[in-house]
Amino acid sequence: DGGITQSPKYLFRKEGQNVTLSCEQNLNHDAMYWYRQDPGQGLRLIYYSQIVNDFQKGDIAEGYSVSREKKESFPLTVTSAQKNPTAFYLCASREQGHYGYTFGSGTRLTVV
Amino acid sequence: ILNVEQSPQSLHVQEGDSTNFTCSFPSSNFYALHWYRWETAKSPEALFVMTLNGDEKKKGRISATLNTKEGYSYLYIKGSQPEDSATYLCALERWGGISSGSARQLTFGSGTQLTVLP
Repeated sequence: DGGITQSPKYLFRKEGQNVTLSCEQNLNHDAMYWYRQDPGQGLRLIYYSQIVNDFQKGDIAEGYSVSREKKESFPLTVTSAQKNPTAFYLCASREQGHYGYTFGSGTRLTVV
Repeated sequence: ILNVEQSPQSLHVQEGDSTNFTCSFPSSNFYALHWYRWETAKSPEALFVMTLNGDEKKKGRISATLNTKEGYSYLYIKGSQPEDSATYLCALERWGGISSGSARQLTFGSGTQLTVLP
C-alpha cells in the first residue's frame, strides 16, 4: 500500500542534542512538507520541498534543517538552536497539480 | 502569518444529534479549502477539497459548504455517531507568491474536537 511512513512514533532526546525525524513516501509525490503542532494550536509549516534538491522555509523554520536528496525522503533535523523542540511533528506529501495531501501519522518529540 | 479560525474549539453531542462547525479565513489569494478528519494516533484523513465559491460537497452524513467572498466554510454532520468522534481540521490553501516559486501552502486552523456520546 502506498503511503507516508514517519519513524519513530515517539522520540526522546536530551536538551542540546540534534535529532533527525524520518519521513518516507512511496507515492511518487513531488512535494513534501513538515508541520509542527503544539497544544491548542493548528499545524504550522516548518519546511517544504517541491522537487528533489530544493526546499523552502515555512513559517517557523528557525532551529530546523531539511534535505531532499531523494524524491521519496524528506528528513527533518531539529537542531539545538530550536528553543522549544518538544512538539508533535507531521509530514505530508502531494502530487504536483493535484489537490490532495497525504499525511503520515506523526512523531512526538520530547526533549528533556 | 494569516489566521484560519475554527469554532467551536470542542463540542460534545449526543448520538443522533446533528452538528456543524465553522472555519473562517482571509479570502485573498484563495486557491482551495480543505477539510480533514483526524483521529488520535492516526493520519489526518481528507474529507473534502473545495475550490469554488458556493461549492457544496457531501460524503454520507457529512457535508460542507464554501463562501470565498466572505471567507468561511461550514462542515455539517447529520445524525452524529460515536465513530464520528475526532478532530476536524480545516486548512486554507493559497498561492505562496513569487518568493516561494508560486508554491501552494496549507495553513491550518486549530481544529474542532468532536465527541459523540452514545
